[in-house]
Amino acid sequence: DTGVSQNPRHKITKRGQNVTFRCDPISEHNRLYWYRQTLGQGPEFLTYFQNEAQLEKSRLLSDRFSAERPKGSFSTLEIQRTEQGDSAMYLCASSSRARTGLNYGYTFGSGTRLTVV
Amino acid sequence: AQSVTQLDSQVPVFEEAPVELRCNYSSSVSVYLFWYVQYPNQGLQLLLKYLSGSTLVKGINGFEAEFNKSQTSFHLRKPSVHISDTAEYFCAVIQGRDAGGTSYGKLTFGQGTILTVHP
Repeated sequence: DTGVSQNPRHKITKRGQNVTFRCDPISEHNRLYWYRQTLGQGPEFLTYFQNEAQLEKSRLLSDRFSAERPKGSFSTLEIQRTEQGDSAMYLCASSSRARTGLNYGYTFGSGTRLTVV
Repeated sequence: AQSVTQLDSQVPVFEEAPVELRCNYSSSVSVYLFWYVQYPNQGLQLLLKYLSGSTLVKGINGFEAEFNKSQTSFHLRKPSVHISDTAEYFCAVIQGRDAGGTSYGKLTFGQGTILTVHP
């Protein structure tokens, strides 16, 4: 178990450029989440995948944002035409649900810090 | 919809002193409660969680929290802090399974409390 891996750790991009982040969850976890954390704030939910299906998207996820999880394994988050307001830490988390009861065994990655200049 | 309020944005304390970080939540349905710690430039690490059962929950690094349903609070405490506890702490909730509908286990976080431990 190598934990949740996110790449890159840091990304600096010019306004208007497209960026893509990758998240590799814990292999047996079928749930995958993306969160965004701006300076001085707690993380905010962006989107959720169960296996390859994207089941929920936050209002925060504008049309410039798209996320995928092909084959229910790794996930990518793409931001098109980046704006300065997109500067934030993008966190990925994965979890599984036990067959009985609840097991919110969330594991967060270290995040990708995006700076739009 | 649920919300989380962390009443203190910053808490400075001296080493070996006790500390309490306050968290109140608002929800019309049952919730599950969590405390996470975040060190600089790192992801979130789970300190402890309350799902059901005993309202006093013990976590890692000597932290504990008490769920108070009547006051809708889940305050985090540690009897004696260390320099290494300096970090940002987040309280979070998940809508309970018996609430109806589907929350998909997504977390709603408070704004965070920066704990600074001084020597």
